[in-house]
Amino acid sequence: EAQVTQNPRYLITVTGKKLTVTCSQNMNHEYMSWYRQDPGLGLRQIYYSMNVEVTDKGDVPEGYKVSRKEKRNFPLILESPSPNQTSLYFCASSPRRGYEQYFGPGTRLTVT
Amino acid sequence: RKEVEQDPGPFNVPEGATVAFNCTYSNSASQSFFWYRQDCRKEPKLLMSVYSSGNEDGRFTAQLNRASQYISLLIRDSKLSDSATYLCVVNIPNAGKSTFGDGTTLTVKP
Repeated sequence: EAQVTQNPRYLITVTGKKLTVTCSQNMNHEYMSWYRQDPGLGLRQIYYSMNVEVTDKGDVPEGYKVSRKEKRNFPLILESPSPNQTSLYFCASSPRRGYEQYFGPGTRLTVT
Repeated sequence: RKEVEQDPGPFNVPEGATVAFNCTYSNSASQSFFWYRQDCRKEPKLLMSVYSSGNEDGRFTAQLNRASQYISLLIRDSKLSDSATYLCVVNIPNAGKSTFGDGTTLTVKP
């Protein structure tokens, strides 16, 4: 089954404790992206990757890192999480930039 | 001004009604457009692409107006199951950025 998977689905952590949210797709898509969604602010793009080893900042990259060492994986790293990073995070993939995107199920992160 | 703007609603309509949403964008270089549906903070799911000539999928019609820089989504014969938040997405092909609108909430009532 074609899908985008994210792990973990739910995470509660404390300020400053490094964490990684994994994202994987099995559709051989070139483009992958991370978004955060907050009430009243819609979906905001954090980082995107147009292909392996090619990543770029979206609208809200501060406090996040990404890497794209393999085509299928695009992990989101929070080196020192803070409470303002409490949010619902979605990973998405697309055959190419500008095409339709397919989303993972989301990760609910709470930073206390 | 936001790059992509949607009327947040909520739109409350009776079953069987026709409802239309608009989404305006500010960058004239935008080339690809989509409508997504999102239920209760679940993942957005692709509803339909928006083509220059307009396109239809069952009860749903999407249109693009490049001159006025907006896209629209028309839902005919609304069903209870159409209740959701509808998000528009605007892409600029030469850039990797993808910009979502904040969404329009639709509630269809019996």
